[in-house]
Amino acid sequence: NFMLTQPHSVSESPGKTVTISCTGSSGSIASNYVQWYQQRPGSAPTTVIYEDNQRPSGVPDRFSGSIDSSSNSASLTISGLKTEDEADYYCQSYDSSSDYVFGTGTKVTVL
Amino acid sequence: QITLKESGPTLVKPTQTLTLTCTFSGFSLSTSGVGVGWIRQPPGKALEWLALIYWDDDKRYSPSLKSRLTITKDTSKNQVVLTMTNMDPVDTATYYCAHRTGDGYLDYWGQGTLVTVSS
Repeated sequence: NFMLTQPHSVSESPGKTVTISCTGSSGSIASNYVQWYQQRPGSAPTTVIYEDNQRPSGVPDRFSGSIDSSSNSASLTISGLKTEDEADYYCQSYDSSSDYVFGTGTKVTVL
Repeated sequence: QITLKESGPTLVKPTQTLTLTCTFSGFSLSTSGVGVGWIRQPPGKALEWLALIYWDDDKRYSPSLKSRLTITKDTSKNQVVLTMTNMDPVDTATYYCAHRTGDGYLDYWGQGTLVTVSS
């Protein structure tokens, strides 16, 4: 079974930059698009990055996505961290059958 | 604008069948590339993809739950129904439905509905 592994939590101070990794268990993560979803407490997820590095309208350019084939990982970077960015973040991609797979989730804490 | 809303029982007993309905507006499930998916989230845990139905009635299921899930659509009513058989307390979760874009990602989500499995 294809899995996406994320760090359990990351924390940083306001104004700083955090990067969340999403590592694929097999195959090449670059062969399928990766999305990133933000989930604030008590709310449904919302998309912050789609197709590896595209931002939906309304998402600030402080959010960026990238792929690193050498480590078979995708990354979400949040720069200029704000208290409103405190949330859980999930990556999502597809397995070999084109079915959806979510990452294990990362809690971002803004100190 | 696109909206989705989940409805169904908040409490089911073990071994019962769960039926959830996703009622949506702002798009048509007969538009090429579009789909509606179901995702769940146990309390304090990660998101888990369950199933997805496409505009052409193609249906995809999580391999680990495939034997228990059925997804159907009623295009005229703008509804998608998910049934899950043989419910167990470990199935206690918030169940979400979401709109799949033609590009494949889930851009609009419902508010979710909490389903508790308990006798």
